[in-house]
Amino acid sequence: EAGVTQFPSHSVIEKGQTVTLRCDPISGHDNLYWYRRVMGKEIKFLLHFVKESKQDESGMPNNRFLAERTGGTYSTLKVQPAELEDSGVYFCASSASSYEQYFGPGTRLTVT
Amino acid sequence: DAKTTQPPSMDCAEGRAANLPCNHSTISGNEYVYWYRQIHSQGPQYIIHGLKNNETNEMASLIITEDRKSSTLILPHATLRDTAVYYCIVRVLGGTSYGKLTFGQGTILTVHP
Repeated sequence: EAGVTQFPSHSVIEKGQTVTLRCDPISGHDNLYWYRRVMGKEIKFLLHFVKESKQDESGMPNNRFLAERTGGTYSTLKVQPAELEDSGVYFCASSASSYEQYFGPGTRLTVT
Repeated sequence: DAKTTQPPSMDCAEGRAANLPCNHSTISGNEYVYWYRQIHSQGPQYIIHGLKNNETNEMASLIITEDRKSSTLILPHATLRDTAVYYCIVRVLGGTSYGKLTFGQGTILTVHP
């Protein structure tokens, strides 16, 4: 069974540009989560989808970040416009229940 | 969620048991103790979780004290591949934020030959 996949694995963009990260959860997992680790900091929760609905978006840093999960399958996280402090690793995770979250390998975002 | 305290780093000899402690003195009755680990450049990996009783799976054992204020993750026979950052997370499985994992600094476990 395929795990959580994320695309791209690495993205380098200039400040002010737009970037869209994609996450494909494990098939059948209704719960999808986004986390990120910015340089030198801890891994931080961003938001949680249950199917296509946002269950908890308390961790979204500001309105430059937009997460979607149309159809309840894959999810995208768009950063527009990107700022230098957005650089870091963005992780996606999915789960069938609320117990065990399976993480993807992450997308490393570098904003220059 | 309750705050956790872990030592910043630990060493362990290959083949020996690795015992990773975690303090969570403000834990509430409905909060679970979770352990995840992150091997370099990979996403976090679930290890084990528990509420009150000790738990064991194919990866590790979790020992929770009777007052639930601390716990210990045990890797019975550590290998070099167990070198990673280990996170102890206290989490309530209810409310709006039931899916949220709050990661701290974790413990860097280094297993050496």
